[in-house]
Amino acid sequence: EDQVTQSPEALRLQEGESSSLNCSYTVSGLRGLFWYRQDPGKGPEFLFTLYSAGEEKEKERLKATLTKKESFLHITAPKPEDSATYLCAVQDHTGNQFYFGTGTSLTVIP
Amino acid sequence: DSGVTQTPKHLITATGQRVTLRCSPRSGDLSVYWYQQSLDQGLQFLIQYYNGEERAKGNILERFSAQQFPDLHSELNLSSLELGDSALYFCASSVGGSLGLAKNIQYFGAGTRLSVL
Repeated sequence: EDQVTQSPEALRLQEGESSSLNCSYTVSGLRGLFWYRQDPGKGPEFLFTLYSAGEEKEKERLKATLTKKESFLHITAPKPEDSATYLCAVQDHTGNQFYFGTGTSLTVIP
Repeated sequence: DSGVTQTPKHLITATGQRVTLRCSPRSGDLSVYWYQQSLDQGLQFLIQYYNGEERAKGNILERFSAQQFPDLHSELNLSSLELGDSALYFCASSVGGSLGLAKNIQYFGAGTRLSVL
């Protein structure tokens, strides 16, 4: 069964303390893996798309990487404004089905 | 602001009732996607429309239906509502009908919170 698992469920970091979020997936032929940020009461906001193992994308303090079975979202020297829930989603080989993980709730303490 | 507009923001109704959720996609986007987000299950893909036609179906119940109109706005109809249908319903839009291309990023609306009492 296709699925996406994110860990940890929640993460508390001190400002400046770098860490990584994990997204492991099982899907029949990955077409794309997506990272989103979701703030309370708002819809998900697109961050990155990764298509093949070995690919990396960066945006400010965030860096996403992809292997054949998982993706990592690395957060370097986080700031309080990085506090949010980070969602991972995969698109299967048909391009028609999308599976989201339940997210990692990140809190960055000043 | 993503440019995707969802109305209403909140909806409170009773079991057995029927409601309609509305979504206006970003200007120029042809695809609309509907998702359900509940606390215990995360975001669940329901259905996708592309330029007025159904493109893909996910875990959408038979009690739920959707359509996309010629002006590209979309409506999600939920009928015979049950307590378990209480959730956040999100609409997203993208330029094309097939994700995986750099330009076909999904932009999400702020959601409609449905409470079934």
